[in-house]
Amino acid sequence: NAGVMQNPRHLVRRRGQEARLRCSPMKGHSHVYWYRQLPEEGLKFMVYLQKENIIDESGMPKERFSAEFPKEGPSILRIQQVVRGDSAAYFCASSPLAGNYNEQFFGPGTRLTVL
Amino acid sequence: SQQGEEDPQALSIQEGENATMNCSYKTSINNLQWYRQNSGRGLVHLILIRSNEREKHSGRLRVTLDTSKKSSSLLITASRAADTASYFCATDASYNTDKLIFGTGTRLQVFP
Repeated sequence: NAGVMQNPRHLVRRRGQEARLRCSPMKGHSHVYWYRQLPEEGLKFMVYLQKENIIDESGMPKERFSAEFPKEGPSILRIQQVVRGDSAAYFCASSPLAGNYNEQFFGPGTRLTVL
Repeated sequence: SQQGEEDPQALSIQEGENATMNCSYKTSINNLQWYRQNSGRGLVHLILIRSNEREKHSGRLRVTLDTSKKSSSLLITASRAADTASYFCATDASYNTDKLIFGTGTRLQVFP
């Protein structure tokens, strides 16, 4: 059973371009979470999705950021018109069930660098 | 704001010594988890302890939880150079959501 897959692993964008980050959850997992990690800091929650639904986007900036988890295919985190402050590592996690006591399995992350 | 705060921020020890890291949090939790992150890599889940548990073991890891003090500790016994990494505690936010709130991490360096 493959783990959580993220691609690309590294992404370089110039200011103003768009960044698309993809996450394929573990097989059988229908809950996906996106986190952002700035250098030397812990992870910060961005958004929680189930198939075709955004459950909690309280950690995601209101502008330029969007996320989706379609019925088929990976979850996508999209950042439009990137700025230097968007440079960070973006981690995706998945879990099989919602609710208490469920471990979240993390992917290797996408490191975004904005020039 | 951060839910968890790890202490110390950095820790350097010799191989064979024990390493203890502490985590404090602010609100009621359902469970607390510890993760390891090697430099530039993803997170590896180490152990989950539920709010009704006080202690849990996994190999060389021992985790304690004191809900009255809102704190947890991670003990790594007989440390190895390969244990060098950052360690994060993470708590769930509330009974209604599943997001994890991470602490700031402890950077552990184990010298051979």
